[in-house]
Order: sequence, then structure tokens, then C-alpha cells
Amino acid sequence: GAVVSQHPSWVICKSGTSVKIECRSLDFQATTMFWYRQFPKQSLMLMATSNEGSKATYEQGVEKDKFLINHASLTLSTLTVTSAHPEDSSFYICSARAGDTNTEAFFGQGTRLTVV
Amino acid sequence: QKEVEQDPGPLSVPEGAIVSLNCTYSNSAFQYFMWYRQYSRKGPELLMYTYSSGNKEDGRFTAQVDKSSKYISLFIRDSQPSDSATYLCASARSNSGYALNFGKGTSLLVTP
Repeated sequence: GAVVSQHPSWVICKSGTSVKIECRSLDFQATTMFWYRQFPKQSLMLMATSNEGSKATYEQGVEKDKFLINHASLTLSTLTVTSAHPEDSSFYICSARAGDTNTEAFFGQGTRLTVV
Repeated sequence: QKEVEQDPGPLSVPEGAIVSLNCTYSNSAFQYFMWYRQYSRKGPELLMYTYSSGNKEDGRFTAQVDKSSKYISLFIRDSQPSDSATYLCASARSNSGYALNFGKGTSLLVTP
């Protein structure tokens, strides 16, 4: 399958600081990227959907000013958690899909964010 | 009510057993159904993907979809200890940009 690289794999930051997570599709052009959050023993919850060159579409209850998503190219999307707080500690996972009709989505390795 | 329901388990089976994992979904607009395997602290890995009712087989894995009852299953034959992981079912529909709706995941342990 296609490869999606997510970086960093884990990060610890102080409360009030911002953290940027990168998601790259290595061998295909990702027209759509999705960002998920997964709390311990919970399912993946979709945070937002981003299409290259467009503003991201956020799910209900996700603060767009807190979770900034940029999808500037067909191979890179970034999620910035601004003014992070301990309750933002979670496992953040991106996935990428190529094309409008191909529904196969490939996932990055995930980023474990701990806010202290 | 979540759109995709999945029993979180845990499910423990002996090596060589046939494993049956199941999900139900509530939205009849779902068109595509996937099974992902997720190891601890890793991103999900796509196992099976189908868009029609019926069975789809890939090696030891068989995915089954029954759209009339909104029921999704994954069968693992000759289970191995390396199959121990969390298995997530997911559904998608075109009018939501094919974003995936996940079940909670079922934790599977295959004991030698």
C-alpha cells in the first residue's frame, strides 16, 4: 500500500505552547487528508478534512482556531495545536487519500502528544 | 448513538482458532466498508476494503457485508499470535468526502 509519513511520532510540550504535526504522502498525491484524534481505549474521531489548496472542514465540536490545518501541497498537510493544554494530550493520526473516487485511505504512524 | 458500533472486547482465542469480529452501522448511506488493524501506539493499517454486500477473501481474512441488516464482519482463519492487535471497522459515504467513521475497535489476543 501507499506510504504516509507522520512526524513527529511523539512530542511533549509545555502547556500554552504550540505544536506542529506533519503528514506527508510519500509515493502518491493526496488530494484529501484527514486528521483524527484517538483517546486511550477510544475509537478514532475525525477532527477535520482538508483538500489541497482549500480551507479545512472541521467536525462539530472541533475548534478551528485551536487546531490549525494547512494543506498547502498535494503531499503535505500540517496540524498545529495552538496554546496546547493537558486535555489536548492524545494520539493524533492523519490519513491521506488519492483522487476523488478512490476511497482507500492510508494512515500515518500517529503522533502521541503529551502536554504537561 | 454512534454511527458504527463495535464490541471492544477484549477477545482471547487460542492459536489456530477462527476469529469472528463484528460491527453494526446505522446509516444506510454508508457505501464503503473497511477493516483496519492497529498495533499499540501505531497508526491503523488497512486490511480489507469492500463496497458491496457479500464476502471478500484475502488470504486468511474474509470480510463480509450484509447491507440489509447493516452488519459487517471480519473472519480470521488459522489465527496467529501476530494477529493480536486492535481491529477497527470503518464505514464511509461519498456525500461526506469519504471520511471514515470508525467503530471503537475490538482488542484481540491470540495465545500460543
